[in-house]
Amino acid sequence: DTGVSQNPRHKITKRGQNVTFRCDPISEHNRLYWYRQTLGQGPEFLTYFQNEAQLEKSRLLSDRFSAERPKGSFSTLEIQRTEQGDSAMYLCASSLRGTGVEKLFFGSGTQLSVL
Amino acid sequence: QKEVEQNSGPLSVPEGAIASLNCTYSDRGSQSFFWYRQYSGKSPELIMSIYSNGDKEDGRFTAQLNKASQYVSLLIRDSQPSDSATYLCAGLNYQLIWGAGTKLIIKP
Repeated sequence: DTGVSQNPRHKITKRGQNVTFRCDPISEHNRLYWYRQTLGQGPEFLTYFQNEAQLEKSRLLSDRFSAERPKGSFSTLEIQRTEQGDSAMYLCASSLRGTGVEKLFFGSGTQLSVL
Repeated sequence: QKEVEQNSGPLSVPEGAIASLNCTYSDRGSQSFFWYRQYSGKSPELIMSIYSNGDKEDGRFTAQLNKASQYVSLLIRDSQPSDSATYLCAGLNYQLIWGAGTKLIIKP
């Protein structure tokens, strides 16, 4: 257990529905990342926060995706009007950006299946 | 386009032997490199980080970095069946760039 918590672990939804995932990072970590991973691929960057500020969002990311990190603690990732192509593992990672090499620690992920 | 390349495998190694995993990268600006282990259906787990040319050892694991040739490798000594997993290589410039992973199978 890395200390990064994600909920739910699994989500099955019908096409067109909205879904929301939650991530609780390691408490002293100031950075939080969202990735998406499909079978046989490495994690694909979606967005990241430093404290409560969203510093970068993937240019490839549809505007159906939105993320928040109110108060710089937990984060939520919402997907609106889900499509079958959104089926993937959604991974959250946190890190402490300071001196030294930044190391990411991942949560267990949320497996999304869009029917 | 900045890329990290890995052979997808599977790489099959007998138990007790040395497993050698390789990774090449295209972004010369990448300064730090990471090896993550990922079991099927689980999330990536950090094994090693390396940012200086040469070798870095941690238990049964040795990471090697050659910035001139732009490759990174991971050696696993005395391979165990529990080492069977997919190994992801990632390079860090201002953002992590990930390889697709190499599937390693340790045969008892």
